[in-house]
Amino acid sequence: LAKTTQPISMDSYEGQEVNITCSHNNIATNDYITWYQQFPSQGPRFIIQGYKTKVTNEVASLFIPADRKSSTLSLPRVSLSDTAVYYCLVGDFSAGGGNKLTFGTGTQLKVEL
Amino acid sequence: NAGVTQTPKFRILKIGQSMTLQCTQDMNHNYMYWYRQDPGMGLKLIYYSVGAGITDKGEVPNGYNVSRSTTEDFPLRLELAAPSQTSVYFCASSVGTASNQPQHFGDGTRLSIL
Repeated sequence: LAKTTQPISMDSYEGQEVNITCSHNNIATNDYITWYQQFPSQGPRFIIQGYKTKVTNEVASLFIPADRKSSTLSLPRVSLSDTAVYYCLVGDFSAGGGNKLTFGTGTQLKVEL
Repeated sequence: NAGVTQTPKFRILKIGQSMTLQCTQDMNHNYMYWYRQDPGMGLKLIYYSVGAGITDKGEVPNGYNVSRSTTEDFPLRLELAAPSQTSVYFCASSVGTASNQPQHFGDGTRLSIL
């Protein structure tokens, strides 16, 4: 079961790029890497998902090195509204395979003016 | 589309009482999940379902039961509430396996056991 490690907290200012790294040393061959964002009193919200190399969507980029033992979520030009907890999720979730999803404790990102 | 709807939003129970947390989704997703989140912690999977009539245990299933009689509904049952079950409970769904499909979460049920 892949265990993830993220920084507990990060601080940034509006307009800066923020990179949050997640370590998952024992990631398995079939595991994907997914990032979620969570605001207080809300459920997590999907940001981005990838398997290898680089993935980009309208809100973020995900960088995964060749050994896949870590991944980096990149948020371009953050704003105050990006203040939230960010979770890295690693797992191969297949029917009958039991729980192979691991949410870590997340990274609290605080964006200031 | 309402997405994933959870009821109630808040509830206080006495030790030993029972209750059912309701979860319904209108996206025709096959996969549904129940998580709990303790203060300052990540989410832990309680139970999941890959389709109507099929459920399986997650990481922390003790003290809970689930059923999946329809695609839309996935209720979570607490039979004998204990203080250790005080938590925020999230229901989620995905069109396919969470391995490569995003999960859609409800806004949670905040449960206190006193």
